[in-house]
Amino acid sequence: KQEVTQIPAALSVPEGENLVLNCSFTDSAIYNLQWFRQDPGKGLTSLLLIQSSQREQTSGRLNASLDKSSGRSTLYIAASQPGDSATYLCAVGRANFGNEKLTFGTGTRLTIIP
Amino acid sequence: ETGVTQTPRHLVMGMTNKKSLKCEQHLGHNAMYWYKQSAKKPLELMFVYNFKEQTENNSVPSRFSPECPNSSHLFLHLHTLQPEDSALYLCASSLDRNRETQYFGPGTRLLVL
Repeated sequence: KQEVTQIPAALSVPEGENLVLNCSFTDSAIYNLQWFRQDPGKGLTSLLLIQSSQREQTSGRLNASLDKSSGRSTLYIAASQPGDSATYLCAVGRANFGNEKLTFGTGTRLTIIP
Repeated sequence: ETGVTQTPRHLVMGMTNKKSLKCEQHLGHNAMYWYKQSAKKPLELMFVYNFKEQTENNSVPSRFSPECPNSSHLFLHLHTLQPEDSALYLCASSLDRNRETQYFGPGTRLLVL
């Protein structure tokens, strides 16, 4: 059974710093890996999706990497801003099931201090 | 704006009540999902519908009854719930159920007394 872990559960950093969020998974037979953002009282917003054959994806100040062999992914946020404060969730799609059956981590709650 | 709406946003119900959650997507998607998000736990997939047909029931208790009358609407009928069912219930949709990313609604915060 796939398990997804995100450590730390919460992180506070001053505005302007670069930071890295971590995600690890136990079964390397994945279809893809996604990073989502969840704001309080709102649903999830997909940030980046990395296919199992890819190593990384970039969108603006965000860069996500994937290392299937070690069961790890990182989300790098450059020049953090207060608007980046949210909970960041990592989700893994199971091989042969595509995006239908996602296994989520419990998230990292990020606070950017102005 | 995600294009996926959920009503009500908040719901308080007793264990003997019957209520329904509604989800509507305006994105032309063919797959819809119900998730449960409990405090300190990962999101749990509950049900998947593809072209109105249920393709996944993740061992959900029968006190949760989904209904998908068309590809744009998804309901979750609730009856005789337990306090441990209190959670945020999220609806999502995707163009197809295999490759495309899911778009989430804002959720319904449910409290069972």
